[in-house]
Amino acid sequence: KAGVTQTPRYLIKTRGQQVTLSCSPISGHRSVSWYQQTPGQGLQFLFEYFSETQRNKGNFPGRFSGRQFSNSRSEMNVSTLELGDSALYLCASSLKGPGGFPYGYTFGSGTRLTVV
Amino acid sequence: AQKITQTQPGMFVQEKEAVTLDCTYDTSDQSYGLFWYKQPSSGEMIFLIYQGSYDEQNATEGRYSLNFQKARKSANLVISASQLGDSAMYFCAMTPAGGTSYGKLTFGQGTILTVHP
Repeated sequence: KAGVTQTPRYLIKTRGQQVTLSCSPISGHRSVSWYQQTPGQGLQFLFEYFSETQRNKGNFPGRFSGRQFSNSRSEMNVSTLELGDSALYLCASSLKGPGGFPYGYTFGSGTRLTVV
Repeated sequence: AQKITQTQPGMFVQEKEAVTLDCTYDTSDQSYGLFWYKQPSSGEMIFLIYQGSYDEQNATEGRYSLNFQKARKSANLVISASQLGDSAMYFCAMTPAGGTSYGKLTFGQGTILTVHP
């Protein structure tokens, strides 16, 4: 059973550019969440998609956006990159249990973004 | 709002010994889930163990067990028989059931565990 796949693994971008990261969840998982991890702020929740709908959003500026496709694959986009956007971006997929409670979250290996 | 506190920035343990990583949490939710993840230097977050707030028994997964004390709002991870490969960053996390917190895990600051031979 394939895990959560994130591409690319590494990215170097210039300040002001935009970037798109991709996440393919585990087959059958319809929920995809995105997180930003930095040494200073730790792991912070960006947003979550379920069946192509954003259901939850963290406290990030509008430069951070995402979408989900009908096959549950998700992309996140960061426009007008800033130096502070350098981080490890992780996505996670989950399967909802009978009570609506997630069984757990499986993470991908992450995309390490460096903004120069 | 939920909050996770991991008070141990770093821990050291001898190979084959047991170690406890501390985690306390704060939430007003009646139903919630608690998780522990391991993050090696490669960056991937590896799921270790899960405890539901409604579970009366402590969760166990192989060498990992979760010491859940609901009244004290603590969910400590116990690793028995430490191995060199256990050296990594460990995160405690939680999520409430349902509501508007879909997909959102709240993480602690993490504890770096170093296993000495």
